[in-house]
Amino acid sequence: DVKVTQSSRYLVKRTGEKVFLECVQDMDHENMFWYRQDPGLGLRLIYFSYDVKMKEKGDIPEGYSVSREKKERFSLILESASTNQTSMYLCASTAGGVTEAFFGQGTRLTVV
Amino acid sequence: LAKTTQPISMDSYEGQEVNITCSHNNIATNDYITWYQQFPSQGPRFIIQGYKTKVTNEVASLFIPADRKSSTLSLPRVSLSDTAVYYCLVAMGRRALTFGSGTRLQVQP
Repeated sequence: DVKVTQSSRYLVKRTGEKVFLECVQDMDHENMFWYRQDPGLGLRLIYFSYDVKMKEKGDIPEGYSVSREKKERFSLILESASTNQTSMYLCASTAGGVTEAFFGQGTRLTVV
Repeated sequence: LAKTTQPISMDSYEGQEVNITCSHNNIATNDYITWYQQFPSQGPRFIIQGYKTKVTNEVASLFIPADRKSSTLSLPRVSLSDTAVYYCLVAMGRRALTFGSGTRLQVQP
């Protein structure tokens, strides 16, 4: 069974902290994505990566960075967490050339 | 990237057929059309994908006209468990997967 695993289901952090959200996929997929989802706003793309060490900005990259040192792992980094980054974060992966995306279970991050 | 437009919400009753239409006027030649379903507190789940004409699987049908500028997801005989948000995406390969706001389907008894 294919799997995208996010390191935490729930996370509470303080304003100003550096936060790491980890995502691992076991399908040898080339492409990986990070989204945030807020009520009424759908899923908004933060960053994506189509290869190891490659990254591209999505629609809302400000305040975030990413790291992809290994093909199976894609990390989202909040350099200095702020309360407006309180959200549900979703990671996804796809194989090259197709667009069936597999999603993780999500991380609900609260910044206080 | 092709932008998609869907209705914000739809209501239906159990047993009815539901059709959700998505507009994607600037779809590119290589783009595929994909639909996802999302339940609360879960990630979206793939439903169906197509390039042209009609595609059917055990869950839904996807109708794509010849000009490919729109597509219609058809859910036969919906049940309460089909209450969810449905997203239409247009993308290909390593290009970004950009979701819109989706269509919130509410199925009532």
